[in-house]
Amino acid sequence: AQSVAQPEDQVNVAEGNPLTVKCTYSVSGNPYLFWYVQYPNRGLQFLLKYITGDNLVKGSYGFEAEFNKSQTSFHLKKPSALVSDSALYFCAVRAPGGYQKVTFGTGTKLQVIP
Amino acid sequence: SQTIHQWPATLVQPVGSPLSLECTVEGTSNPNLYWYRQAAGRGLQLLFYSVGIGQISSEVPQNLSASRPQDRQFILSSKKLLLSDSGFYLCAWIGTGSRSSPLHFGNGTRLTVT
Repeated sequence: AQSVAQPEDQVNVAEGNPLTVKCTYSVSGNPYLFWYVQYPNRGLQFLLKYITGDNLVKGSYGFEAEFNKSQTSFHLKKPSALVSDSALYFCAVRAPGGYQKVTFGTGTKLQVIP
Repeated sequence: SQTIHQWPATLVQPVGSPLSLECTVEGTSNPNLYWYRQAAGRGLQLLFYSVGIGQISSEVPQNLSASRPQDRQFILSSKKLLLSDSGFYLCAWIGTGSRSSPLHFGNGTRLTVT
């Protein structure tokens, strides 16, 4: 069975400071990993994904994520946080086989303080 | 381009009443379709998925059912709503052309059962 853990319920960061939202995963085989963002009363929006190759992937809105196979982690990062980055962030994993079942973490609320 | 539509955006229904939520996808064919429920603005629970017309798989036994009468139409139903059915319902799709494709979400339906 595949699973995702987001250990932080909420992350607070000052505007302009770097941010990190943590994610660890468990899956058989090489994972497909995703980050999504959700604004209030909206659906989830895709930010970035890791499939293979370079461990540092870049995505939308200046976000990037670092894949670490030995630590089974896929942390989301941004060098300089904006107040508009405040939202709910979800990490997700999919095993390369199967019917494309996607498993989500419980979400991390990011609060960027002006 | 592909788009996904969900309606209604909000719904208030009394306990014991029926439910029908509709989701349609445009601009793609034979997508995998998903219904998720999000409770209290946090974790996503996969309810149903479909890999083709008339093919429905349930992830969690409950008071709800799903149908896929057409290739790009996915319907979530209930004969008698319970208070516990309240939540934010999200429809999503994945193109079957690439296993690394992310999920694409609709804007959701906020259901309140009173």
